[in-house]
Amino acid sequence: EAGVVQSPRYKIIEKKQPVAFWCNPISGHNTLYWYLQNLGQGPELLIRYENEEAVDDSQLPKDRFSAERLKGVDSTLKIQPAELGDSAVYLCASSFGLDEQFFGPGTRLTVL
Amino acid sequence: GESVGLHLPTLSVQEGDNSIINCAYSNSASDYFIWYKQESGKGPQFIIDIRSNMDKRQGQRVTVLLNKTVKHLSLQIAATQPGDSAVYFCAENGGATNKLIFGTGTLLAVQP
Repeated sequence: EAGVVQSPRYKIIEKKQPVAFWCNPISGHNTLYWYLQNLGQGPELLIRYENEEAVDDSQLPKDRFSAERLKGVDSTLKIQPAELGDSAVYLCASSFGLDEQFFGPGTRLTVL
Repeated sequence: GESVGLHLPTLSVQEGDNSIINCAYSNSASDYFIWYKQESGKGPQFIIDIRSNMDKRQGQRVTVLLNKTVKHLSLQIAATQPGDSAVYFCAENGGATNKLIFGTGTLLAVQP
């Protein structure tokens, strides 16, 4: 059974450039999460989707971050423009309803 | 501002010994707790969970203890193996449905 798929695994960009991350959740999982993980720290929730609806985006910096899950399956997280402080690992997770969350391997972003 | 947590608490144990990883949680309203294991380059992986109506739960080689009085959670790993080497995070739900708040991780280093 395939797990949560994320791409790219690594991304290096210069500051002020845009960047996008893609996530494909486990088949059948209607809930999708994007987390940010700084080095040495636990993940922090950015946004949670139930199907195509963003039900919790209170921690998403909306001036530069955006996310979409148009068909309620895969999702894209975008940063425009990226800042040096955005360097981190961006994790996607999915669950069936409110059950256990399964995490993807993450995308490691480096902003130069 | 951004906090950089480069210095993780570290627990170093000999292979075969028992490990105890501790976590202090912050929200007295939390009623659901999870321990995650995160290996280098991977997303967090569910180990074991416990609800607040319990004070102990056992899995295969792992036991979670919950002390609500002092808001303390611990993970015990029996007969620690080299494959247990990873960063371990506790997470609480803050009383909110399926919202996880991760604590600071602990690096478990198993010496052969």
